[in-house]
Amino acid sequence: EVQLVESGGGLVQPGGSLRLSCAASGFTFSDHYMDWVRQAPGKGLEWVGRTRNKANSYTTEYAASVKGRFTISRDDSKNSLYLQMNSLKTEDTAVYYCTRDARSGSYPDYWGQGTLVTVSS
Amino acid sequence: QSVLTQPPSASGTPGQRVTISCSGSSSNIGNNYVYWYQQLPGTAPKLLIYRNNQRPSGVPDRFSGSKSGTSASLAISGLRSEDEADYYCAAWDDSLSGWVFGGGTKLTVL
Repeated sequence: EVQLVESGGGLVQPGGSLRLSCAASGFTFSDHYMDWVRQAPGKGLEWVGRTRNKANSYTTEYAASVKGRFTISRDDSKNSLYLQMNSLKTEDTAVYYCTRDARSGSYPDYWGQGTLVTVSS
Repeated sequence: QSVLTQPPSASGTPGQRVTISCSGSSSNIGNNYVYWYQQLPGTAPKLLIYRNNQRPSGVPDRFSGSKSGTSASLAISGLRSEDEADYYCAAWDDSLSGWVFGGGTKLTVL
């Protein structure tokens, strides 16, 4: 069974940093692209970014709203995905979901339960 | 403002058929597959339709998807109370080099 478990969310002041983790199990993590998607309270879904797999050189892409502030990384030996968030703004307040991309088509097919990040003074 | 446009709400009575539209452009829906996600209250999104009209295993055939040009739609037939949820369309955007989502449609079963 595919499982994605996010952790690391919490309250942080504007301008601060936070690192989210996503522990994956139930599939061969190293084969898959992985994404982060967020959802502000009461709002819709917003794609944050993606990391490709080793076969595709672990390349990353980011939404314009987070580029230069957020960094996605992965550790295939630990079946883990990370999101380093720096220079946080109040508008970054959201539930952050870790998603697995399907091998055929690279679209998000499984989602974690999410972790809440609140940016407030 | 979301890149993909969905109606904010939709409703129907049990047993009815409802459709939810999703409008985009040539850089997303027009040139790529469309995906639909269902988000039940208080839970994470779940993949409902992939590659325009394919259902993952376990998704009832009451759910169907279609695409034409730069628009797509999700149809739910035989509406049930447990279908009450938010529905999101998504597509890869070649210009933005990222996933774009619709703003979501809240489905109410009357």
